[in-house]
Amino acid sequence: QQQVKQSPQSLIVQKGGISIINCAYENTAFDYFPWYQQFPGKGPALLIAIRPDVSEKKEGRFTISFNKSAKQFSLHIMDSQPGDSATYFCAARGSSGSRLTFGEGTQLTVNP
Amino acid sequence: ETGVTQSPTHLIKTRGQQVTLRCSSQSGHNTVSWYQQALGQGPQFIFQYYREEENGRGNFPPRFSGLQFPNYSSELNVNALELDDSALYLCASSPGLAGKETQYFGPGTRLLVL
Repeated sequence: QQQVKQSPQSLIVQKGGISIINCAYENTAFDYFPWYQQFPGKGPALLIAIRPDVSEKKEGRFTISFNKSAKQFSLHIMDSQPGDSATYFCAARGSSGSRLTFGEGTQLTVNP
Repeated sequence: ETGVTQSPTHLIKTRGQQVTLRCSSQSGHNTVSWYQQALGQGPQFIFQYYREEENGRGNFPPRFSGLQFPNYSSELNVNALELDDSALYLCASSPGLAGKETQYFGPGTRLLVL
């Protein structure tokens, strides 16, 4: 049973545009929601994370928006750059758990 | 400070064989988690070790087993390999209590089962 659903599967954006990736979760026990960036041949790297007591978190060009009632969260990449081209994964973890549950990933391509 | 390292980087095995993958956690980290990432999918949690004890296991059969050593490095062992075991195996380490902190991933070991 997939507990974190991610969309879209792939996304093409022009340089300078805004990239938006969405995730929805089912388990209300989740209390930590990170986003990871993965380049080919590399392991996932933490980009930004949020806890459900805030509705938005911004770090540089990256923003997480969180809607607890809808059980949804999204990643916004402002002023997207070709170097942002990678696969992005949302994930979730429960307060009593050790495991990260990942979405299926979004392959982002930023055209110059 | 060195990051998470894994060995080998690539491995080819045949069905029915056994494999051992290794992970050295980041300095100061006492928790190691293992994930399986099939092609085109998100990582799936296999299990976690905290101070040499298993601390949580995902939906993987018993032929997937692990160890954590006193220096907090770790091994993932897979017996009776199946074709579907072909994947990128990721190790992640974290400081503090049982993986509740940020998990930092290694580059992975790419396993191909023929």
